[in-house]
Amino acid sequence: AQTVTQSQPEMSVQEAETVTLSCTYDTSESNYYLFWYKQPPSRQMILVIRQEAYKQQNATENRFSVNFQKAAKSFSLKISDSQLGDTAMYFCAFMGPANTGNQFYFGTGTSLTVIP
Amino acid sequence: DAGVIQSPRHEVTEMGQEVTLRCKPISGHNSLFWYRQTMMRGLELLIYFNNNVPIDDSGMPEDRFSAKMPNASFSTLKIQPSEPRDSAVYFCASSRPRGTGVLIEAFFGQGTRLTVV
Repeated sequence: AQTVTQSQPEMSVQEAETVTLSCTYDTSESNYYLFWYKQPPSRQMILVIRQEAYKQQNATENRFSVNFQKAAKSFSLKISDSQLGDTAMYFCAFMGPANTGNQFYFGTGTSLTVIP
Repeated sequence: DAGVIQSPRHEVTEMGQEVTLRCKPISGHNSLFWYRQTMMRGLELLIYFNNNVPIDDSGMPEDRFSAKMPNASFSTLKIQPSEPRDSAVYFCASSRPRGTGVLIEAFFGQGTRLTVV
């Protein structure tokens, strides 16, 4: 199985500031997908952003962007202009190529608190 | 599209009782996943189905756990007998078939919070 590691169990950031959440993964595959999911107190899992490994350009979705370092197997999430609604658990996830199955592997999560 | 539907939202049961969690995936999705979320272990993949067939059940913790997918629109996760350590939030998720131009994503249900007393 692939492994996904999130080394920051908890983080906090002041409202309107920028914060970066870290994620590393282990795989021998060259083509795969990476994701960041958000889980607010409502418990709903929401996709924040996805990255395809064959694409060199870092994905961006409004205030959310990633720093994808393929050689280092690193996939960090940057949240700009943090808002109170960004308070949530954030999970990094990995999916391998089609010939390895369709499993999504998740990290243990980072609990982010945005401080007013 | 109603999304992935799980029932019940909450379940409280006594130790030793049988518990059945239900999931209706999004129509057209061919992969279905059952996850368990706890504070200690995060999101664990229990089992996943592809085209209604169980592909990987290596995450199922014990023989007390079983999962079925009798058709493309329904799956169950059963715990018999239940134990207090099974208390967790259980998520069902589904994803569409891979293909050119398909954006890969796991769509999650709202989860079932199981408490075994």
